[in-house]
Amino acid sequence: DQQVKQNSPSLSVQEGRISILNCDYTNSMFDYFLWYKKYPAEGPTFLISISSIKDKNEDGRFTVFLNKSAKHLSLHIVPSQPGDSAVYFCAASASVDSNYQLIWGAGTKLIIKP
Amino acid sequence: NAGVTQTPKFRILKIGQSMTLQCTQDMNHNYMYWYRQDPGMGLKLIYYSVGAGITDKGEVPNGYNVSRSTTEDFPLRLELAAPSQTSVYFCASSYRGGFEKLFFGSGTQLSVL
Repeated sequence: DQQVKQNSPSLSVQEGRISILNCDYTNSMFDYFLWYKKYPAEGPTFLISISSIKDKNEDGRFTVFLNKSAKHLSLHIVPSQPGDSAVYFCAASASVDSNYQLIWGAGTKLIIKP
Repeated sequence: NAGVTQTPKFRILKIGQSMTLQCTQDMNHNYMYWYRQDPGMGLKLIYYSVGAGITDKGEVPNGYNVSRSTTEDFPLRLELAAPSQTSVYFCASSYRGGFEKLFFGSGTQLSVL
């Protein structure tokens, strides 16, 4: 039972265009969401997060949108750059979980074409 | 600044062998974690620690053991390796728990044949 799903294993986007990565979740208790980025042969690095009290959070070229009614979040990268080519993981957590355990999606490989 | 350091980067084990994956962090973080990532799957938590001397099971602890004798080190022990333990293992740390972001090591690719 995958509680966090990233249904697109890969995504190819032209440099300079917008990249949109999607994530769906099933557990209505999740109230905090994070995106991590991973390059080959490296560990994931934190990118951006959003609390369920917000529906949008921005950090430079990166914006995360949260639609609680649809249990859906998306990461927008504008404009996309070659260095954005990486695997992006969505993760979710519930504050009612005393361990704040993160539940991870399987990742989406983003390829930025020159 | 080294951050989170994992060794080895690659290892091949025979079924039934044992080994220890090493993890050390130099950020004085209280929380440390071990995750595994199987192909096409998200990361799954094996064990975590909220401080020296305290460890707890995550989602997939069977076949593994951990210890936390110091703030810096959090080794993961595999006893009687099985093919199902073929995976990429990541160690991570954070200063606090809760929703604080994690800092990851570069991973250990383990194959059990």
